[in-house]
Amino acid sequence: AQTVTQSQPEMSVQEAETVTLSCTYDTSESDYYLFWYKQPPSRQMILVIRQEAYKQQNATENRFSVNFQKAAKSFSLKISDSQLGDAAMYFCAYRRSGAGSYQLTFGKGTKLSVIP
Amino acid sequence: GAGVSQSPSNKVTEKGKDVELRCDPISGHTALYWYRQRLGQGLEFLIYFQGNSAPDKSGLPSDRFSAERTGESVSTLTIQRTQQEDSAVYLCASSPRLDSTQETQYFGPGTRLLVL
Repeated sequence: AQTVTQSQPEMSVQEAETVTLSCTYDTSESDYYLFWYKQPPSRQMILVIRQEAYKQQNATENRFSVNFQKAAKSFSLKISDSQLGDAAMYFCAYRRSGAGSYQLTFGKGTKLSVIP
Repeated sequence: GAGVSQSPSNKVTEKGKDVELRCDPISGHTALYWYRQRLGQGLEFLIYFQGNSAPDKSGLPSDRFSAERTGESVSTLTIQRTQQEDSAVYLCASSPRLDSTQETQYFGPGTRLLVL
């Protein structure tokens, strides 16, 4: 079974600074997808960024980028120029590729606080 | 509607009562997922619907949990004889279609269930 581990229950960052959230996962599959979701107090899960395992290039979305290390099974999220609106729970998630159910496997989350 | 909607937003019930939670997916989305999020935890997969195929019920924690979906429309998650351990946020997600590399799950705001 796949597992996703987020070792940082809480993180904080000064506004305008950079922060990195860590995520490791365990799988025997060679092809899969990885995601970072943001969950503000409204509870709505919002997709931040996704990475296909077969792509070597790290995904980037504006201020958000990932460091994907496939051999190490590591998938960290870097938030640059942190803003107050970035404060939320961040969840790392895994989804297998291929036929069958496409449910996401989530880590337990990292609570990010942004200090003004 | 623009996004996934869920009702009720909050539900308080007494131990032993049955509850029904509703999810309206994004129009045209063929896949629908239910997840459970216990306090301070990540999301746990419950059940998955894809079109008219048999649902993947592998995540349901007990036979007190069941879900239905008619075609590609509304889904209801039913919990019978609720227990205090069922207290959680129940999140629904939908995605446009299977076997797509662009498949992304879009989440609703969830239903917070409290069993007294």
